[in-house]
Amino acid sequence: DTAVSQTPKYLVTQMGNDKSIKCEQNLGHDTMYWYKQDSKKFLKIMFSYNNKELIINETVPNRFSPKSPDKAHLNLHINSLELGDSAVYFCASSQGTSGGGANVLTFGAGSRLTVL
Amino acid sequence: GQNIDQPTEMTATEGAIVQINCTYQTSGFNGLFWYQQHAGEAPTFLSYNVLDGLEEKGRFSSFLSRSKGYSYLLLKELQMKDSASYLCAVMDSNYQLIWGAGTKLIIKP
Repeated sequence: DTAVSQTPKYLVTQMGNDKSIKCEQNLGHDTMYWYKQDSKKFLKIMFSYNNKELIINETVPNRFSPKSPDKAHLNLHINSLELGDSAVYFCASSQGTSGGGANVLTFGAGSRLTVL
Repeated sequence: GQNIDQPTEMTATEGAIVQINCTYQTSGFNGLFWYQQHAGEAPTFLSYNVLDGLEEKGRFSSFLSRSKGYSYLLLKELQMKDSASYLCAVMDSNYQLIWGAGTKLIIKP
């Protein structure tokens, strides 16, 4: 199946722990993103990579570190987890960033992180 | 600042028509997107408008007026499966997406 797949789907952990979420896309897209969706359902961009290069790095605590080993993968590592990090994290990809249909996002199923 | 406004929640009846409005104030404009998000699932792309006017896709249509900073999503012949949140997003002059908080649409039989 062509898709954006992310793992794990659910993550329950204690405050202070370190965790990673992995994302892979087989759509041949050049750009990948990490979004955070909180309980109020706002989608907030965290990071964007285009061909393995960081192009968007919003005001996110430096406990969050993305890594893109190749353009098909974008992983998210979170250090020293806090209660406020509890949210659904969506990975997404698009063909590019130059406007029009190239910017249509395909989302992964989401990873629900619960910090206790 | 940049802002997208859409109603928090709407209710409609199965078989009817509903219009979900979105107004925006952004730094530049490079297109407006509508996404559908069912509860507990990922957003999925519905429509894209960059020129003024109406884009029709089956039961769903999306309208844009750039001069008014306004768009709407029109859903016809509503089905129970259309119960979902509908997210409006605008691409600004830096090609960054600005998202609205979404409109939760409840369909009643």
